[in-house]
Amino acid sequence: AQKITQTQPGMFVQEKEAVTLDCTYDTSDQSYGLFWYKQPSSGEMIFLIYQGSYDEQNATEGRYSLNFQKARKSANLVISASQLGDSAMYFCAMREGVPGGKLIFGQGTELSVKP
Amino acid sequence: KAGVTQTPRYLIKTRGQQVTLSCSPISGHRSVSWYQQTPGQGLQFLFEYFSETQRNKGNFPGRFSGRQFSNSRSEMNVSTLELGDSALYLCASSFGGAHEKLFFGSGTQLSVL
Repeated sequence: AQKITQTQPGMFVQEKEAVTLDCTYDTSDQSYGLFWYKQPSSGEMIFLIYQGSYDEQNATEGRYSLNFQKARKSANLVISASQLGDSAMYFCAMREGVPGGKLIFGQGTELSVKP
Repeated sequence: KAGVTQTPRYLIKTRGQQVTLSCSPISGHRSVSWYQQTPGQGLQFLFEYFSETQRNKGNFPGRFSGRQFSNSRSEMNVSTLELGDSALYLCASSFGGAHEKLFFGSGTQLSVL
Protein backbone atom coordinates (compact mmCIF):
# COMPACT_ATOMS: atom_id res chain seq x y z
CA ALA A 1 0.00 0.00 0.00
CA GLN A 2 1.12 3.52 -0.69
CA LYS A 3 2.06 5.67 2.26
CA ILE A 4 3.50 9.12 2.96
CA THR A 5 5.35 9.87 6.19
CA GLN A 6 6.13 13.32 7.51
CA THR A 7 8.01 12.93 10.78
CA GLN A 8 8.13 16.59 11.81
CA PRO A 9 4.79 17.69 13.30
CA GLY A 10 6.11 21.21 13.85
CA MET A 11 9.17 23.25 12.94
CA PHE A 12 10.53 26.72 13.60
CA VAL A 13 12.81 28.69 11.32
CA GLN A 14 14.26 32.17 11.50
CA GLU A 15 13.19 34.62 8.83
CA LYS A 16 15.54 34.65 5.82
CA GLU A 17 17.00 31.25 6.67
CA ALA A 18 16.49 28.05 4.68
CA VAL A 19 14.46 25.15 6.02
CA THR A 20 13.99 21.52 4.97
CA LEU A 21 10.74 19.66 5.51
CA ASP A 22 11.08 15.89 5.44
CA CYS A 23 8.94 13.46 3.49
CA THR A 24 9.38 9.76 2.87
CA TYR A 25 7.09 7.61 0.79
CA ASP A 26 6.38 3.98 0.20
CA THR A 27 5.10 2.51 -3.04
CA SER A 28 5.67 -0.46 -5.28
CA ASP A 29 4.63 1.50 -8.36
CA GLN A 30 7.22 2.63 -10.87
CA SER A 31 5.17 5.57 -12.07
CA TYR A 32 4.04 8.13 -9.53
CA GLY A 33 4.11 11.82 -8.75
CA LEU A 34 5.16 13.66 -5.61
CA PHE A 35 3.61 16.94 -4.54
CA TRP A 36 4.03 19.55 -1.86
CA TYR A 37 1.14 21.78 -0.83
CA LYS A 38 0.92 24.69 1.59
CA GLN A 39 -2.20 25.21 3.67
CA PRO A 40 -2.46 28.52 5.54
CA SER A 41 -4.97 28.99 8.33
CA SER A 42 -7.53 30.13 5.72
CA GLY A 43 -7.79 26.50 4.60
CA GLU A 44 -6.98 26.69 0.91
CA MET A 45 -4.49 24.15 -0.38
CA ILE A 46 -1.81 25.91 -2.41
CA PHE A 47 0.26 23.91 -4.92
CA LEU A 48 3.99 24.45 -4.43
CA ILE A 49 5.97 21.92 -6.41
CA TYR A 50 5.74 18.62 -8.31
CA GLN A 51 8.24 15.85 -9.05
CA GLY A 52 7.54 12.93 -11.36
CA SER A 53 9.09 9.57 -10.55
CA TYR A 54 10.92 9.53 -13.88
CA ASP A 55 12.24 13.08 -13.60
CA GLU A 56 16.00 13.00 -13.21
CA GLN A 57 16.40 16.62 -12.18
CA ASN A 58 15.15 17.91 -8.86
CA ALA A 59 12.14 20.18 -9.31
CA THR A 60 12.42 23.86 -8.47
CA GLU A 61 9.74 26.58 -8.29
CA GLY A 62 11.09 29.93 -7.15
CA ARG A 63 12.14 29.62 -3.51
CA TYR A 64 10.97 26.01 -3.36
CA SER A 65 13.00 23.01 -4.39
CA LEU A 66 12.35 19.32 -3.99
CA ASN A 67 15.25 17.13 -2.96
CA PHE A 68 14.25 13.86 -4.65
CA GLN A 69 16.19 10.77 -3.62
CA LYS A 70 14.46 7.89 -5.34
CA ALA A 71 16.52 5.06 -3.87
CA ARG A 72 15.83 6.33 -0.37
CA LYS A 73 12.21 7.11 -1.26
CA SER A 74 12.45 10.60 0.07
CA ALA A 75 11.12 13.87 -1.32
CA ASN A 76 12.13 16.66 1.01
CA LEU A 77 10.98 20.23 0.44
CA VAL A 78 13.57 22.98 0.78
CA ILE A 79 12.38 26.54 1.27
CA SER A 80 15.10 29.11 0.81
CA ALA A 81 15.07 32.56 2.41
CA SER A 82 12.02 31.96 4.62
CA GLN A 83 9.44 34.71 4.88
CA LEU A 84 6.86 35.39 7.58
CA GLY A 85 4.15 34.48 5.07
CA ASP A 86 5.59 30.97 4.82
CA SER A 87 4.10 30.12 8.22
CA ALA A 88 1.52 27.41 7.44
CA MET A 89 0.89 23.66 7.31
CA TYR A 90 2.84 21.85 4.63
CA PHE A 91 1.65 18.58 3.15
CA CYS A 92 3.61 16.07 1.14
CA ALA A 93 1.49 13.93 -1.17
CA MET A 94 1.95 11.11 -3.65
CA ARG A 95 -0.21 10.35 -6.63
CA GLU A 96 -0.54 7.12 -8.52
CA GLY A 97 0.78 7.52 -12.04
CA VAL A 98 -2.51 6.68 -13.70
CA PRO A 99 -5.29 8.93 -15.00
CA GLY A 100 -7.61 9.72 -12.12
CA GLY A 101 -5.11 8.53 -9.55
CA LYS A 102 -5.79 9.72 -6.03
CA LEU A 103 -3.49 11.83 -3.90
CA ILE A 104 -2.27 10.24 -0.69
CA PHE A 105 -1.26 12.82 1.89
CA GLY A 106 1.08 12.81 4.82
CA GLN A 107 0.00 14.18 8.20
CA GLY A 108 1.61 17.53 7.56
CA THR A 109 4.29 19.72 9.11
CA GLU A 110 3.40 23.02 10.75
CA LEU A 111 6.07 25.57 9.93
CA SER A 112 6.45 28.74 11.97
CA VAL A 113 8.74 31.50 10.72
CA LYS A 114 10.16 33.75 13.43
CA PRO A 115 11.00 37.41 12.75
CA LYS B 1 -7.01 32.78 -15.11
CA ALA B 2 -9.54 31.99 -12.39
CA GLY B 3 -8.68 29.24 -9.95
CA VAL B 4 -10.81 26.46 -8.58
CA THR B 5 -13.99 27.87 -7.05
CA GLN B 6 -15.90 26.14 -4.28
CA THR B 7 -19.24 27.22 -2.92
CA PRO B 8 -20.42 27.78 -0.33
CA ARG B 9 -17.44 28.61 1.85
CA TYR B 10 -19.23 27.63 5.07
CA LEU B 11 -22.23 25.44 5.83
CA ILE B 12 -24.01 24.53 9.03
CA LYS B 13 -26.39 21.58 8.97
CA THR B 14 -28.06 19.31 11.49
CA ARG B 15 -27.87 15.55 11.72
CA GLY B 16 -30.05 13.73 9.23
CA GLN B 17 -30.08 16.53 6.68
CA GLN B 18 -28.42 16.38 3.30
CA VAL B 19 -26.01 18.83 1.72
CA THR B 20 -24.70 19.66 -1.75
CA LEU B 21 -21.33 21.25 -2.35
CA SER B 22 -20.22 22.77 -5.64
CA CYS B 23 -16.88 22.97 -7.38
CA SER B 24 -16.00 24.85 -10.57
CA PRO B 25 -12.63 23.77 -11.99
CA ILE B 26 -10.00 25.87 -13.69
CA SER B 27 -11.03 26.63 -17.26
CA GLY B 28 -9.98 23.78 -19.54
CA HIS B 29 -9.62 21.25 -16.74
CA ARG B 30 -11.80 18.18 -17.18
CA SER B 31 -10.96 16.29 -14.00
CA VAL B 32 -12.38 17.13 -10.60
CA SER B 33 -11.55 15.22 -7.45
CA TRP B 34 -12.87 15.62 -3.92
CA TYR B 35 -11.10 15.26 -0.58
CA GLN B 36 -12.25 15.35 3.03
CA GLN B 37 -10.01 16.87 5.68
CA THR B 38 -10.53 16.25 9.39
CA PRO B 39 -8.18 16.74 12.35
CA GLY B 40 -8.32 13.03 13.17
CA GLN B 41 -8.12 11.39 9.76
CA GLY B 42 -6.24 14.03 7.80
CA LEU B 43 -6.87 14.32 4.08
CA GLN B 44 -8.76 11.49 2.46
CA PHE B 45 -9.78 10.94 -1.15
CA LEU B 46 -13.50 10.75 -1.88
CA PHE B 47 -13.81 10.39 -5.67
CA GLU B 48 -12.65 11.69 -9.02
CA TYR B 49 -14.66 12.61 -12.10
CA PHE B 50 -13.52 13.05 -15.66
CA SER B 51 -15.82 13.96 -18.54
CA GLU B 52 -18.90 13.27 -16.42
CA THR B 53 -17.71 9.77 -15.44
CA GLN B 54 -16.47 8.64 -12.06
CA ARG B 55 -13.02 7.16 -12.60
CA ASN B 56 -11.91 6.52 -9.07
CA LYS B 57 -13.54 6.22 -5.68
CA GLY B 58 -12.26 6.21 -2.11
CA ASN B 59 -13.49 4.24 0.89
CA PHE B 60 -16.48 6.27 1.94
CA PRO B 61 -20.04 5.09 2.53
CA GLY B 62 -22.69 5.42 -0.14
CA ARG B 63 -24.06 8.52 1.59
CA PHE B 64 -21.29 10.38 -0.20
CA SER B 65 -21.96 10.81 -3.89
CA GLY B 66 -20.97 13.12 -6.65
CA ARG B 67 -21.53 14.05 -10.24
CA GLN B 68 -19.97 16.10 -12.96
CA PHE B 69 -21.69 18.20 -15.57
CA SER B 70 -20.81 18.72 -19.21
CA ASN B 71 -19.07 22.02 -18.34
CA SER B 72 -16.83 20.07 -15.90
CA ARG B 73 -18.39 21.63 -12.84
CA SER B 74 -18.90 19.07 -10.11
CA GLU B 75 -21.18 18.65 -7.15
CA MET B 76 -20.78 16.47 -4.10
CA ASN B 77 -23.76 15.35 -2.06
CA VAL B 78 -23.83 13.94 1.43
CA SER B 79 -27.13 12.48 2.60
CA THR B 80 -28.26 11.69 6.14
CA LEU B 81 -25.54 13.78 7.71
CA GLU B 82 -23.71 12.51 10.77
CA LEU B 83 -21.67 14.48 13.30
CA GLY B 84 -18.52 12.84 11.94
CA ASP B 85 -19.13 14.39 8.54
CA SER B 86 -18.02 17.74 9.92
CA ALA B 87 -14.92 18.55 7.89
CA LEU B 88 -13.28 20.75 5.32
CA TYR B 89 -14.19 19.47 1.87
CA LEU B 90 -11.67 20.33 -0.81
CA CYS B 91 -11.93 19.84 -4.52
CA ALA B 92 -9.05 19.79 -6.98
CA SER B 93 -8.96 20.09 -10.72
CA SER B 94 -6.54 19.06 -13.45
CA PHE B 95 -6.49 18.28 -17.17
CA GLY B 96 -6.98 14.64 -16.24
CA GLY B 97 -3.80 12.93 -17.38
CA ALA B 98 -1.64 10.58 -15.37
CA HIS B 99 1.08 13.07 -14.42
CA GLU B 100 -0.88 16.24 -13.95
CA LYS B 101 -0.57 18.82 -11.23
CA LEU B 102 -3.71 19.12 -9.11
CA PHE B 103 -4.91 22.56 -8.08
CA PHE B 104 -7.22 22.95 -5.12
CA GLY B 105 -9.99 25.34 -4.21
CA SER B 106 -10.42 27.09 -0.86
CA GLY B 107 -12.74 24.39 0.41
CA THR B 108 -16.16 24.22 2.01
CA GLN B 109 -16.19 24.02 5.79
CA LEU B 110 -19.15 21.84 6.81
CA SER B 111 -20.31 21.75 10.40
CA VAL B 112 -22.92 19.18 11.41
CA LEU B 113 -24.74 19.92 14.66
